[in-house]
This record gives sequence, C-alpha cells and structure tokens, in this order.
Amino acid sequence: GAVVSQHPSWVICKSGTSVKIECRSLDFQATTMFWYRQFPKQSLMLMATSNEGSKATYEQGVEKDKFLINHASLTLSTLTVTSAHPEDSSFYICSAPTRIQSNQPQHFGDGTRLSIL
Amino acid sequence: DAKTTQPNSMESNEEEPVHLPCNHSTISGTDYIHWYRQLPSQGPEYVIHGLTSNVNNRMASLAIAEDRKSSTLILHRATLRDAAVYYCILTQTGANNLFFGTGTRLTVIP
Repeated sequence: GAVVSQHPSWVICKSGTSVKIECRSLDFQATTMFWYRQFPKQSLMLMATSNEGSKATYEQGVEKDKFLINHASLTLSTLTVTSAHPEDSSFYICSAPTRIQSNQPQHFGDGTRLSIL
Repeated sequence: DAKTTQPNSMESNEEEPVHLPCNHSTISGTDYIHWYRQLPSQGPEYVIHGLTSNVNNRMASLAIAEDRKSSTLILHRATLRDAAVYYCILTQTGANNLFFGTGTRLTVIP
C-alpha cells in the first residue's frame, strides 16, 4: 500500500486562486519531505525541501513567496501555490524517506495534477 | 551534483531480460547510485540503490562497474507492467534530495 498519500489528486481552478496540496506520511514519521514539479514530457524538478518545525529550503529559481511550504507535524507537509496562474499548471509530487539516515529510499506520493484556467 | 547519462529510450520483448545502462563518470567516492521508475501519471517508485557492490532485490539487480563510473539496472524478465521511465540518480553522502535527469523510457513489446 501507499506509504505517502497526496491530496488532492487533481485540481482545476481559476487564475488568481491559491491552491493547497497535502502530503502525508502513513505509518512513519517524516522530519523531511520533498516537493517536485513535473511539466508534460519532462523530468521531475526538485522545488524545495520541507523540514518539520523549521523553514523550508528552496532550490534556486523557485520563489518561496509563490510556493509556501508548511511542515507543522511529523506526518504532514503542505504546499500552497499562491495566486496561481496558467504557467503554474503542472504535476506536483511529494516524497519522504522512511528512515532518518541519509541516502535512503524515498517514497513518493501519486502526485497532484494542477490545472489553472 | 554529479550527473548521469542514460539512453533516451529502449525496447524489450516481454519476458526477456532488460539491461538499462547509466554512465556517471564524475561520481565521487561517497555518492550512492539510486534507480527509480515512473509509470504514466504516477509518482516515481524506488527500484534499487547501491554504493560499490552489486545489489539484488525482488524487483531488479544493480550491477556497478568496478570503477563506479557506470552501472546497469537489470530486470530479469520484463513484463508489460515494467514499461516506465527509469531514472538513474546519484545522491551525495548526507543527503536525501534527488535530482532527476531525463531517464530512459522503456517500452515492453508483447
């Protein structure tokens, strides 16, 4: 079964709307989670590292005020796309390692397909 | 980040072995080699990872060259459900973040 749950699976909304995506670890605690974005026919691009109880770390070129990340508990990280526009339409995916040690396998959510009209 | 190079696409007949190559000539001594795959419209799925020695699990085998500048993911008997994009990724010691390349799109022919 899925060890990382992502919700919602898809969202369609109007331009200017803010959209929140949830990523939950099931049956394990995740002090760190990762958020990715994937455009059609392209690879995944790491957006940010979500850290429980502290600020997220954003990759170069990713606007932290545009993509708000909150990791308030050991099992939940949220990504809010603020004032979304059509160019933000993409497939957003989260992941979490099931062990604290580095270089461990990641478990990925099934992704959220975001379409901004 | 150390880069990897993979063929864009490969084909295999069903129930035959598949060898997916990955070159990583700039790998450092402590980089791990990870393989993930992504089926259409889904998040990636962990396949296997290793450091220096060859690795086997229920999904696949990972053969790592002695100089570690290349590796090969081996699917022993390809099935239609193995059709996916396979990503070879290096992770630095102390890190869990993954930087995906373009991967290899595997097509399995019935």
